[in-house]
Amino acid sequence: DVKVTQSSRYLVKRTGEKVFLECVQDMDHENMFWYRQDPGLGLRLIYFSYDVKMKEKGDIPEGYSVSREKKERFSLILESASTNQTSMYLCASITGPGTDGYTFGSGTRLTVV
Amino acid sequence: TQLLEQSPQFLSIQEGENLTVYCNSSSVFSSLQWYRQEPGEGPVLLVTVVTGGEVKKLKRLTFQFGDARKDSSLHITAAQPGDTGLYLCAGDAKYGGATNKLIFGTGTLLAVQP
Repeated sequence: DVKVTQSSRYLVKRTGEKVFLECVQDMDHENMFWYRQDPGLGLRLIYFSYDVKMKEKGDIPEGYSVSREKKERFSLILESASTNQTSMYLCASITGPGTDGYTFGSGTRLTVV
Repeated sequence: TQLLEQSPQFLSIQEGENLTVYCNSSSVFSSLQWYRQEPGEGPVLLVTVVTGGEVKKLKRLTFQFGDARKDSSLHITAAQPGDTGLYLCAGDAKYGGATNKLIFGTGTLLAVQP
């Protein structure tokens, strides 16, 4: 089975800190995604990447950046954390277009205080 | 912006009851997926429907894709406590493109009481 691993399950950070969320997948998938999940709002796409060093903005990229230096790793960066970025962050990957579903990591619950 | 609306948002039922969850949009999707998410975990794919009018069954779960590929439903027969979780529909937003970019619905939180 494909595994998507997120480095932290829970994080608490202070306002203004630079935060790195790491995601690694082990099945050579081309496409990787970062979502945030908030009650009543569902999953909202922040950024995605379809190849190494390639990235595209999702629906809510403000306040975030990403890095994909290696195919298996996709990092989400909060340049200066704010309290409204407190959320569950989910990473996902998929091999390519088609009907296969996303494989998600277990999520990182980030609290910004 | 493409939106997927799910109803109901919350559902609390007794074991053995039947239920239906709806996923609606004004947009056409090339495929639609259903996921279940348990507390503290990421969503897990249940099924993908591709053809308008398609019906797929997964044990007690029946999934249907609307004829116009704008809506879908999930019907659970004789619900069990193990069915408890957040159910999410997701539509493929890039038709025929290079990637699968999914648009997720707002979710239906199901609680099945023993």
